[in-house]
Amino acid sequence: KQEVTQIPAALSVPEGENLVLNCSFTDSAIYNLQWFRQDPGKGLTSLLLIQSSQREQTSGRLNASLDKSSGRSTLYIAASQPGDSATYLCAVSSGYSTLTFGKGTMLLVSP
Amino acid sequence: GAGVSQSPSNKVTEKGKDVELRCDPISGHTALYWYRQSLGQGLEFLIYFQGNSAPDKSGLPSDRFSAERTGGSVSTLTIQRTQQEDSAVYLCASSPNTDTQYFGPGTRLTVL
Repeated sequence: KQEVTQIPAALSVPEGENLVLNCSFTDSAIYNLQWFRQDPGKGLTSLLLIQSSQREQTSGRLNASLDKSSGRSTLYIAASQPGDSATYLCAVSSGYSTLTFGKGTMLLVSP
Repeated sequence: GAGVSQSPSNKVTEKGKDVELRCDPISGHTALYWYRQSLGQGLEFLIYFQGNSAPDKSGLPSDRFSAERTGGSVSTLTIQRTQQEDSAVYLCASSPNTDTQYFGPGTRLTVL
């Protein structure tokens, strides 16, 4: 059974810092990996999707990498802003797109 | 365009009552998913619909949970004889393919 772990569970940084969120998964036979953002009381917003054949994806200040063989992914956020404060979720797809989620990293960026 | 919508946004019910949660997917999306997010837990897959195929019900936690998708569009998740451990946020997502899923805002269910 696929298990996804995210470290740290919570992170608090001052505005402007670069930061890294970590995700690991137990079964490397994945179809793709996604990073989502969840704001309080709201649904999930997809940030980046990495196919199993890819090594990284970039969108603005966000960069996600994937090392499938070691079962790890990182989400790098450059020059963090207070508006980046949210819970970040990592999810892997191991078949016909059903996702297995980690418990998330709660990020707080203070001005 | 319109995203995935869910109703109600909040539902408070008494233990033992039945509840129905509704999901309106993005028009044209053939795949629809239900997930549950309990306090302190990650999102848990419940059920998956793809077109006219038989749904994947492997994530439903008990036979008190069921879901339907009428006409390949709107879906209803029904929980019978609710228990306090059913309290959670229930999220629906739809997808046009097997990649990106688009999530609704969720229904927060509280069972007293």
